[in-house]
Amino acid sequence: DAKTTQPNSMESNEEEPVHLPCNHSTISGTDYIHWYRQLPSQGPEYVIHGLTSNVNNRMASLAIAEDRKSSTLILHRATLRDAAVYYCILRDPLPSGSARQLTFGSGTQLTVLP
Amino acid sequence: NAGVTQTPKFRVLKTGQSMTLLCAQDMNHEYMYWYRQDPGMGLRLIHYSVGEGTTAKGEVPDGYNVSRLKKQNFLLGLESAAPSQTSVYFCASSSQAGVPYNEQFFGPGTRLTVL
Repeated sequence: DAKTTQPNSMESNEEEPVHLPCNHSTISGTDYIHWYRQLPSQGPEYVIHGLTSNVNNRMASLAIAEDRKSSTLILHRATLRDAAVYYCILRDPLPSGSARQLTFGSGTQLTVLP
Repeated sequence: NAGVTQTPKFRVLKTGQSMTLLCAQDMNHEYMYWYRQDPGMGLRLIHYSVGEGTTAKGEVPDGYNVSRLKKQNFLLGLESAAPSQTSVYFCASSSQAGVPYNEQFFGPGTRLTVL
């Protein structure tokens, strides 16, 4: 799987939007962009994923650059509960039938200030 | 529906001791994984299983063994613990591989200290 680059840390004020960037300049045409987050003392949890188009779900939005070399996870109104490490992960769905491990980098530590 | 559970939550071992970590999932997932997470780092895959009775090595398999005798359980064994194995261990499961997207569900982790 191709490599991703994220800032080590970011801060946000509570109830304000947060934009978490991820660079993936070597992304292949079939790589999906996944985001997971890890709350303190918990296992990672899925946030969102996308391929080419922007995506929205109840937790967040994912904005993908037209050339797919970068993406941004958007939390529309950060809460204290959103303080976590956010991981941007690329996954090639091929080859079929093989285990699809997640390759974690060190992620972005998001601090939400009250 | 408990999702993915791990036993125990905490454990302290002396160098050379052995132990087994148990992971159980109630989502009928085919795939299961064991990861370790060292302080300040991301997770690294130790071993994984694509189905009952099958296991395979991940990125950092040395010093660990695994077994998947039942579909819902995945065991991680340390035969002779070493201080370098001090870490937090996470188990995960997913519904299937080979599709564009398969969300992995993680357990709460086991914090292991080897003295």
